[in-house]
Amino acid sequence: DSGVTQTPKHLITATGQRVTLRCSPRSGDLSVYWYQQSLDQGLQFLIQYYNGEERAKGNILERFSAQQFPDLHSELNLSSLELGDSALYFCASSVDGGYTQYFGPGTRLTVL
Amino acid sequence: GQQLNQSPQSMFIQEGEDVSMNCTSSSIFNTWLWYKQEPGEGPVLLIALYKAGELTSNGRLTAQFGITRKDSFLNISASIPSDVGIYFCAGHSNAGNNRKLIWGLGTSLAVNP
Repeated sequence: DSGVTQTPKHLITATGQRVTLRCSPRSGDLSVYWYQQSLDQGLQFLIQYYNGEERAKGNILERFSAQQFPDLHSELNLSSLELGDSALYFCASSVDGGYTQYFGPGTRLTVL
Repeated sequence: GQQLNQSPQSMFIQEGEDVSMNCTSSSIFNTWLWYKQEPGEGPVLLIALYKAGELTSNGRLTAQFGITRKDSFLNISASIPSDVGIYFCAGHSNAGNNRKLIWGLGTSLAVNP
């Protein structure tokens, strides 16, 4: 158990809908990262927050947005969902925004 | 986006065999990380490397930060069935304003008992 929690574990929704994924970092970690992993694909970095502010941006679509709240939990919002958005979405955290990241168990999103 | 070259893509070995995999980059890296992902789970950090030439062990796993700083290696000795999973390398370069980890596509390991 990495100490990073993600909810929900599974999410099934329809095209065009909007969903919110939630992540709580390890106690004491200030930075949160979001990744997308499609079937048989590696990890695609989406976005990083550090202490509430956006720090780095990866291949995140304009339909996706994220934020980190004062209590350091983070939410990833996915809107106008398409079939191709079906994937595992992972959250990771680190103490100081460094590169040693600890991953949560992921949220499996299925768009029908 | 930029990715590391990780090889081999997959391996199927007998229990007890040693395993070697590697990761290469076209640019110099300052940090190398090795993760393992089991089906349905998030990646778990195995080993972190921060200095060229560094050799670090974690049980039966040993990883090395290549001298050229453009590659890293992971070895697993005396493999067991629970070693099954996908092994990812990740690296970071201080060049420019880069604040992102770069990930390999993974080496899928299967162990025949």
